[in-house]
Amino acid sequence: DIQMTQSPSSLSASVGDRVTITCRASQSISTYLNWYQQQPGKAPKLLIYAASSLQSGVPSRFSGSGSGTDFTLTISSLQPEDFATYYCQQSHRTFFTFGPGTKVDIK
Amino acid sequence: QVQLQESGPGLVKPSQTLSLTCTVSGGSISSGDYYWSWIRQPPGKGLEWIGYIYYSGTTYYNPTLKSRVTISVDTSKNQFSLKLSSVTAADTAVYYCAIRGSGSDYNGLDVWGQGTTVTVSS
Repeated sequence: DIQMTQSPSSLSASVGDRVTITCRASQSISTYLNWYQQQPGKAPKLLIYAASSLQSGVPSRFSGSGSGTDFTLTISSLQPEDFATYYCQQSHRTFFTFGPGTKVDIK
Repeated sequence: QVQLQESGPGLVKPSQTLSLTCTVSGGSISSGDYYWSWIRQPPGKGLEWIGYIYYSGTTYYNPTLKSRVTISVDTSKNQFSLKLSSVTAADTAVYYCAIRGSGSDYNGLDVWGQGTTVTVSS
């Protein structure tokens, strides 16, 4: 099974900050990596697919990079609506796996 | 735009079978355009993929749940369903249905239902 880890598990940041979240796979998954944002009490929302492709309608301040085992989600200038929990998810195998999440809250 | 809506009992007794339905609107479950998925989230915890089904009936399940899970499609009602047997308190969660485009394995889960809370308790 492919295991996913994320770091940090939580972070505090201010509006306007640049934020970077890391996701690591236990084995190579090429670029079969997606990122989701989840607001409290809401369903997750797809932000990035195929490691670096921006989902339609998602602001360009979100970007993704990486391949193989190491991936990054970057928010270039944090906005008030970006305070949420972020999950990575691999789709390399028919058995999908989510990372444990990174909670971004207000400093 | 496809929309999804979960429905089913909010309370299930231990050892019984949890049954949920996801109703699809704005698209046909028979189209072959999507994989139809179930994901859950225990209170205060992260997301866990349960499994998905293609309109042909092909299914893929999380190995940790495989012995207890059945996902099926009802094309006449444009719905797909989840059954989870022998539930325990550990199965208490918000259950989401979601879709992934079938055109590429790079696709993410890009449409989600609002989620339905299921509590396992006597």
